[in-house]
Amino acid sequence: DAKTTQPPSMDCAEGRAANLPCNHSTISGNEYVYWYRQIHSQGPQYIIHGLKNNETNEMASLIITEDRKSSTLILPHATLRDTAVYYCIVSRSGGGADGLTFGKGTHLIIQP
Amino acid sequence: GAVVSQHPSWVICKSGTSVKIECRSLDFQATTMFWYRQFPKQSLMLMATSNEGSKATYEQGVEKDKFLINHASLTLSTLTVTSAHPEDSSFYICSARPTSYYEQYFGPGTRLTVT
Repeated sequence: DAKTTQPPSMDCAEGRAANLPCNHSTISGNEYVYWYRQIHSQGPQYIIHGLKNNETNEMASLIITEDRKSSTLILPHATLRDTAVYYCIVSRSGGGADGLTFGKGTHLIIQP
Repeated sequence: GAVVSQHPSWVICKSGTSVKIECRSLDFQATTMFWYRQFPKQSLMLMATSNEGSKATYEQGVEKDKFLINHASLTLSTLTVTSAHPEDSSFYICSARPTSYYEQYFGPGTRLTVT
């Protein structure tokens, strides 16, 4: 699986949009981009995934560049409960057949 | 939907004893489940892939005789830490993928402390 690079930490004001970047320059054509988050001492929570096109669900939006070498997770209106470590993961096989390789992620801190 | 539970949520055991952790998919069937381990201030590391009705596949460096995995049904996988030692103290997390889904869903984790 391709490696990802994320900033170790980010701050965002409550109510503002949180934009979390991820670089995955070695991504292959059949690899998906997944985002999970882990709130302290809990199991990770699935957020969103995509292959080529931008995706949106009730939690977030995922913007993937045209060359697929980077992506951005957008939390449109961050709340204090969004404080967590966010993991960007690139995985083949749709991320379901294989276990996931977690990097260090980005610790997002939402400030009141 | 897609809820995964783990039991127990935390356990303390003495060195040399064995501990069993259960992972259940509550509202879906999971052909494949995964077991991860997370040490303090570190990221999750995949330990093994558990397939219903067959032997688990372990990641390099994970002792299969120490971490016994059984996936007896489409909704239950168990991890048994045998002859536990203090260095096995960790946060153990399972995940499962509903059939035809692309994503995995994680349990809340089990914190194991070996004294």
